[in-house]
Amino acid sequence: DQQVKQNSPSLSVQEGRISILNCDYTNSMFDYFLWYKKYPAEGPTFLISISSIKDKNEDGRFTVFLNKSAKHLSLHIVPSQPGDSAVYFCAANTGGFKTIFGAGTRLFVKA
Amino acid sequence: KAGVTQTPRYLIKTRGQQVTLSCSPISGHRSVSWYQQTPGQGLQFLFEYFSETQRNKGNFPGRFSGRQFSNSRSEMNVSTLELGDSALYLCASNSGQPSYNEQFFGPGTRLTVL
Repeated sequence: DQQVKQNSPSLSVQEGRISILNCDYTNSMFDYFLWYKKYPAEGPTFLISISSIKDKNEDGRFTVFLNKSAKHLSLHIVPSQPGDSAVYFCAANTGGFKTIFGAGTRLFVKA
Repeated sequence: KAGVTQTPRYLIKTRGQQVTLSCSPISGHRSVSWYQQTPGQGLQFLFEYFSETQRNKGNFPGRFSGRQFSNSRSEMNVSTLELGDSALYLCASNSGQPSYNEQFFGPGTRLTVL
C-alpha cells in the first residue's frame, strides 16, 4: 500500500522555466511533509518541508504547496537551473519517527 | 560536523549468504533509520532505532534485522540473501526528538546479490 505517490517518474523542463513536481498521499494522519533531492551516488538531501497546518512554504527558488482536502502537495522550482537535475522524493510522516517516501521523480533541466 | 557514514559502500554477495551493513550517525544524533531503495519503488522504510531500541518497523521479512549501539552507531543484517535484496541501502539520522522531521542521509551501501 503506497501511502505516498509520485505518479510522474520523470519530468523535463527548459532552463529558466518553472518545474512542478507533484505528490499525492492517502494517510490523513500525516502531519509533516518533506521534499528531498538526490544526486547519483549520494544520499538524499533535505530540500524543503511543510507542516500540515500551513498551505505554503517558500525557500528561495523552492516553494511547496499543500492541499489537505485533496491530499496533494507540489514542489515548484522557479527558475529551474541545470544543477536542479536530480531525483526528487516526496516524503511524509507523523511525529517524525517514521517517514514514508514516494517513488521519486527524475527532473531533467535542459540548458 | 562529520556527516552520516556508511560502510562498506559496495558489496557483492551470493544467494543464501548473510550481510552486515554499518552506519555511523552525525555526532549527537540518537535516531537512525534504514531504507531500501530499488528502481521504481522509492525509499522503503526498514526500521528506526532510538537509544538502542527499535522504535518503528516497516513491512520487511524477519530476514532483515538491525541493532543500535550505545554510541548510536547502527548495523543492519540481512540473512539468507535473495536476488531481490539487491538494492541501495540508505541510513539516515536525526535527533530523534518528536516533531524533528528532517533526516540526514549517508551515501548508501550498494548491495548486489548474485
